[in-house]
Amino acid sequence: NAGVMQNPRHLVRRRGQEARLRCSPMKGHSHVYWYRQLPEEGLKFMVYLQKENIIDESGMPKERFSAEFPKEGPSILRIQQVVRGDSAAYFCASSPGDSGTGELFFGEGSRLTVL
Amino acid sequence: GESVGLHLPTLSVQEGDNSIINCAYSNSASDYFIWYKQESGKGPQFIIDIRSNMDKRQGQRVTVLLNKTVKHLSLQIAATQPGDSAVYFCAVSSQGDYKLSFGAGTTVTVRA
Repeated sequence: NAGVMQNPRHLVRRRGQEARLRCSPMKGHSHVYWYRQLPEEGLKFMVYLQKENIIDESGMPKERFSAEFPKEGPSILRIQQVVRGDSAAYFCASSPGDSGTGELFFGEGSRLTVL
Repeated sequence: GESVGLHLPTLSVQEGDNSIINCAYSNSASDYFIWYKQESGKGPQFIIDIRSNMDKRQGQRVTVLLNKTVKHLSLQIAATQPGDSAVYFCAVSSQGDYKLSFGAGTTVTVRA
């Protein structure tokens, strides 16, 4: 069984460009979470989505960041007009979502570097 | 919101000794607790979890202890091995809130 798949693993962008990070959850999982990790820090929650719905985006910056989880295809985290402070590792996690609180299964992350 | 903190950012342990990593949380409504291990360049990997109706749970070489009175969580690793070198995170969630809140992490270094 494939785990949570994220791509690209590494992405380099210049200031002002757009970054798109993709996440395919584990098979059978309908809940997706995005977390951001700065160097030497813990994971900070950004957004929680179910198919076609954003459930909780309390950790998302109000501007330039957006996320979606369409009916078909992977979840996308989109960062417009990137700045150097966006450089971080972005992790996607998934869960079955049918049993309340529980383990989140993480991908290997996408590492964004903004030049 | 939930605040999760670790007592020590780093821990150096001799190979073969036991390791103890501590974590404190703030929300008395927290009902699910989990420890993850993160190796360099990789995503967090599940180690062990525990729910609030328990105070101890054991896995292979790992034990999680939960003290709800003082809102404290610990991870014990028995007979620490070089492969245990990594960053360890505790994370918690509360009833009705699916997301996990993470602590800052403890870097464990195993000395040969």
